[in-house]
Amino acid sequence: DVKVTQSSRYLVKRTGEKVFLECVQDMDHENMFWYRQDPGLGLRLIYFSYDVKMKEKGDIPEGYSVSREKKERFSLILESASTNQTSMYLCASGQRGAAKNIQYFGAGTRLSVL
Amino acid sequence: EDKVVQSPLSLVVHEGDTVTLNCSYEVTNFRSLLWYKQEKKAPTFLFMLTSSGIEKKSGRLSSILDKKELFSILNITATQTGDSAVYLCAVGDFGNEKLTFGTGTRLTIIP
Repeated sequence: DVKVTQSSRYLVKRTGEKVFLECVQDMDHENMFWYRQDPGLGLRLIYFSYDVKMKEKGDIPEGYSVSREKKERFSLILESASTNQTSMYLCASGQRGAAKNIQYFGAGTRLSVL
Repeated sequence: EDKVVQSPLSLVVHEGDTVTLNCSYEVTNFRSLLWYKQEKKAPTFLFMLTSSGIEKKSGRLSSILDKKELFSILNITATQTGDSAVYLCAVGDFGNEKLTFGTGTRLTIIP
């Protein structure tokens, strides 16, 4: 079974704090993704990575950065958390290539910024 | 820009009913359409469809794709309370490795 593990299920942070969300996958997938999920807006892509040290902006990258130093690990960083970043954050991984479009998700991190 | 629209937004039915969830899409260079089920936590993969008219089936769930009319449906027969979830539809584009998701249909099954 594919396993995507997110380091925390719930986080509470204060405005202005630096926040790290960690994601690890055990299937040797090339692609990794960070989404946020908000009511009525669905899943929106923040950043993705198709290789170590590679990253591409998704649809809503403002206020976020990412790091991929190892193939199995993809980190999302909120440099200075704000209340509008309160959300559910989902990490996903998938194989690279035309036929392998399936993404596998972690359980999510519910972040509250006060 | 790729776009996915799901309908209805929410649906409440009684156990044993059959439901049909809809997904329409616009995509530059269609690669695949995927259905996921999301309960309290991670979306779990249900189906991937790439060809028109070929039904994918898993137990009481089935799905079909119409690439001419740009939509897919997900059918659930003999619904059970465990089917209560948000069902997500997503499309993949050959131009990149990303998926574009719809906002989901929230299905509630009443015992």
